Amino acid sequence: DAGVTQSPTHLIKTRGQQVTLRCSPKSGHDTVSWYQQALGQGPQFIFQYYEEEERQRGNFPDRFSGHQFPNYSSELNVNALLLGDSALYLCASRGNRQEKLFFGSGTQLSVL
Amino acid sequence: AQRVTQPEKLLSVFKGAPVELKCNYSYSGSPELFWYVQYSRQRLQLLLRHISRESIKGFTADLNKGETSFHLKKPFAQEEDSAMYYCALSGRDSGYSTLTFGKGTMLLVSP
Repeated sequence: DAGVTQSPTHLIKTRGQQVTLRCSPKSGHDTVSWYQQALGQGPQFIFQYYEEEERQRGNFPDRFSGHQFPNYSSELNVNALLLGDSALYLCASRGNRQEKLFFGSGTQLSVL
Repeated sequence: AQRVTQPEKLLSVFKGAPVELKCNYSYSGSPELFWYVQYSRQRLQLLLRHISRESIKGFTADLNKGETSFHLKKPFAQEEDSAMYYCALSGRDSGYSTLTFGKGTMLLVSP
């Protein structure tokens, strides 16, 4: 089991562009969460998906959107990128009724 | 609003010395508290949870509701304990399914 996998590992975009990040959860997991980790900060919760619906959302603008597919994989989309969106984006998964989160290695997004 | 505070960015100790990584939280209710660790070039992983009341790799943490603290302790630090440590909180308002993290403390254990 490869655990939680994320792609790409690194990405460079310019202001105003749009980006899509991808996540495959750990085998057997059906709940996916996304976190943003800015430099020198702890991870900050963006949103959580379960049964292909957004179930929880953190304090992030509508420019941040997501999707979950029937195979439980997930995408994070960010529109109209700002310099401040530069961060490490972490995906985490867990099984339903399980509290332990497993994290991926993250996607490092740089907005120039 | 819920908040987790880790007052130290960096804690540097010698091998064999006791370690205490501080964590204070703000939450109106009964939260669940966690410590996550990230070793160099590895992904973030759960170290321990307060409800488990277990010792992992010699680390323990006790939830003090009166002081709203969840400090991480180890009596004798080892070089392999060098890592980034994050305290995190989960609350009833999220169904205990999402985490609020502190900013983290880098622990450096020197030989």
